[in-house]
Amino acid sequence: EDQVTQSPEALRLQEGESSSLNCSYTVSGLRGLFWYRQDPGKGPEFLFTLYSAGEEKEKERLKATLTKKESFLHITAPKPEDSATYLCAVYGGYQKVTFGTGTKLQVIP
Amino acid sequence: DGGITQSPKYLFRKEGQNVTLSCEQNLNHDAMYWYRQDPGQGLRLIYYSQIVNDFQKGDIAEGYSVSREKKESFPLTVTSAQKNPTAFYLCASSMGVAGPNEQFFGPGTRLTVL
Repeated sequence: EDQVTQSPEALRLQEGESSSLNCSYTVSGLRGLFWYRQDPGKGPEFLFTLYSAGEEKEKERLKATLTKKESFLHITAPKPEDSATYLCAVYGGYQKVTFGTGTKLQVIP
Repeated sequence: DGGITQSPKYLFRKEGQNVTLSCEQNLNHDAMYWYRQDPGQGLRLIYYSQIVNDFQKGDIAEGYSVSREKKESFPLTVTSAQKNPTAFYLCASSMGVAGPNEQFFGPGTRLTVL
């Protein structure tokens, strides 16, 4: 069974303080790893898809990286508007995506 | 603007009632999904559909039913058999089910049992 573990559960940063969120996964054959952002009371918003180890993708202050066992979401010089819950999910085939429980990020001005 | 709409945003159900949550997409996606989100848990798949008039059970289908009569629409009925229906329900769509296709989500419906 595919598994996704995200850490930390919650992270509090000062504005401008860079950090990383971790997504560890167990899947028989990874075909895709997704990152989403979710604001309170709203649906998740798609950020990135990573397909293979070594791949990196960037969007504004966010950069996602992928190894054979985990993915990191690096946040550079975060702003208060980056506060949200960040979800990681994996697709290993068999028509199913497995989601982690998320990291709740709070950026304090 | 292409996207996914869900209605209503908030829904209240009395014990023993069936309620139906609406999901519509204009992205021309073949696949549609229903998830349930509870505090401290990852999204759990209720049902998914790859094509019109076909749908498959997910991990927690008991107490729920769906239909897919049109490509654009995938309504979810929460029946009285669902013992703990209070949750945040999310509808999503993607180009297909078979493949690492990113899913796009609607804004969600929060269901509360009174």
